[in-house]
Amino acid sequence: DTEVTQTPKHLVMGMTNKKSLKCEQHMGHRAMYWYKQKAKKPPELMFVYSYEKLSINESVPSRFSPECPNSSLLNLHLHALQPEDSALYLCASSTLTGGGPTSPFTGELFFGEGSRLTVL
Amino acid sequence: AQKITQTQPGMFVQEKEAVTLDCTYDTSDPSYGLFWYKQPSSGEMIFLIYQGSYDQQNATEGRYSLNFQKARKSANLVISASQLGDSAMYFCAMSSRGNTGFQKLVFGTGTRLLVSP
Repeated sequence: DTEVTQTPKHLVMGMTNKKSLKCEQHMGHRAMYWYKQKAKKPPELMFVYSYEKLSINESVPSRFSPECPNSSLLNLHLHALQPEDSALYLCASSTLTGGGPTSPFTGELFFGEGSRLTVL
Repeated sequence: AQKITQTQPGMFVQEKEAVTLDCTYDTSDPSYGLFWYKQPSSGEMIFLIYQGSYDQQNATEGRYSLNFQKARKSANLVISASQLGDSAMYFCAMSSRGNTGFQKLVFGTGTRLLVSP
């Protein structure tokens, strides 16, 4: 069983709806991520939170609004989406690895099962 | 900029045989991580194996091993004794470290592996 839990697993919404995707982890990870994956494509990074603060926004449209209310939770609020936003949305978490540019690199991202979103 | 290349869109292997999935990468960072993830049809990304750029030994995890050739910038995944449950999409990914220690993963386009009886 994955240690990153995403809800809902499936979501169908209209273009005028407001909905939210939720992600929870209890591994003590202080970095959390949202990825978007279109069919037959690799995941693409959307947002990164570290220490509950937004660290990366990969030029994501404002109709996607992330929120990290505490170190265990990550939300993605959806509003006025387009049909092309239909995709699998993956949440992930990881430790925050320290050290400088030449320090050993450790740790992996733990992914949830994803929320499959369909926008009508 | 970092780039990951997987040139095999699909691979076929018979059960109990070994298979190698190719991955090459490009980066100017001295410190980076290379990962392989498995994605079954359910959608979850399952971590398989990791290799750090400073690791001297090739990584192994059970039936998975990573053939890391730093000079050639390749990080091929070898699956020994394939099982039917290994049928899935496999992604190679490279990680760079963000300013607070988070990891920014860039994925290759993936290789779909089909294991036949």
